[in-house]
Amino acid sequence: EVQLVQSGAEVKKSGESLRISCKTSGYSFSTYWITWVRQTPGKGLEWLGRIDPSDSYTSYSPSVQGHVTISADRSISTVYLQWYSLAASDTAMYYCARIGGLYKYCTDGSCSVFGGYFDPWGQGTQVTVSS
Amino acid sequence: DVVMTQTPLSLSVTPGQPASLSCKSSQSLLHSDGKTYLYWYLQKPGQSPQLLIFQVSSRFSGVPDRFSGSGSKTDFTLKISRVEADDVGVYYCMQGTHVPPYTFGQGTKLEIK
Repeated sequence: EVQLVQSGAEVKKSGESLRISCKTSGYSFSTYWITWVRQTPGKGLEWLGRIDPSDSYTSYSPSVQGHVTISADRSISTVYLQWYSLAASDTAMYYCARIGGLYKYCTDGSCSVFGGYFDPWGQGTQVTVSS
Repeated sequence: DVVMTQTPLSLSVTPGQPASLSCKSSQSLLHSDGKTYLYWYLQKPGQSPQLLIFQVSSRFSGVPDRFSGSGSKTDFTLKISRVEADDVGVYYCMQGTHVPPYTFGQGTKLEIK
């Protein structure tokens, strides 16, 4: 059974650093990309970024580029979402999910990766940041 | 970024009756490869989202055939032929054609009368 198990809830202060984790099992870790999505009452579901665990290639939403870092540790089949300086606006529920059905198209030496459904999802990690 | 707009924002349905949820995108989701990368998810109360439909109309493994997806380019619909109590939650559409970033609709909350 494919499982994504996330680390527990965190309470932090503005300016502090944080790393949350998503431990995967039940499949070959390097075969599927992993994505992070956050959910807030006001903004619904927001895509943050994705990582290819085979080579740690990442792409981010412009809204969080430079503010979060996604990384992977193949030795323990785990993906991380990290902040170096939290803000109150980072308060949210964070989900990781495996991406299936991705397509890759290469032309003239450059490639684009598109498509992809998110399944399964982790149980979520609540991050609360106080100012 | 592609903006996904869902209507209605909430829906109250009698068990056994049908339901229709709409999702519109600000750009055509038809990819140059000929496929359309539009997905539907359901987030039940207190749970993580779960995949229902991929590529507009393909039901994911284990999804009842009461759920069906349709549409093209910018207009998409999720239909539930006979709503059951277990269908309550928030339904989200998401596009995967013009990525990154993936973008979600704001959700439609389904309640039972």
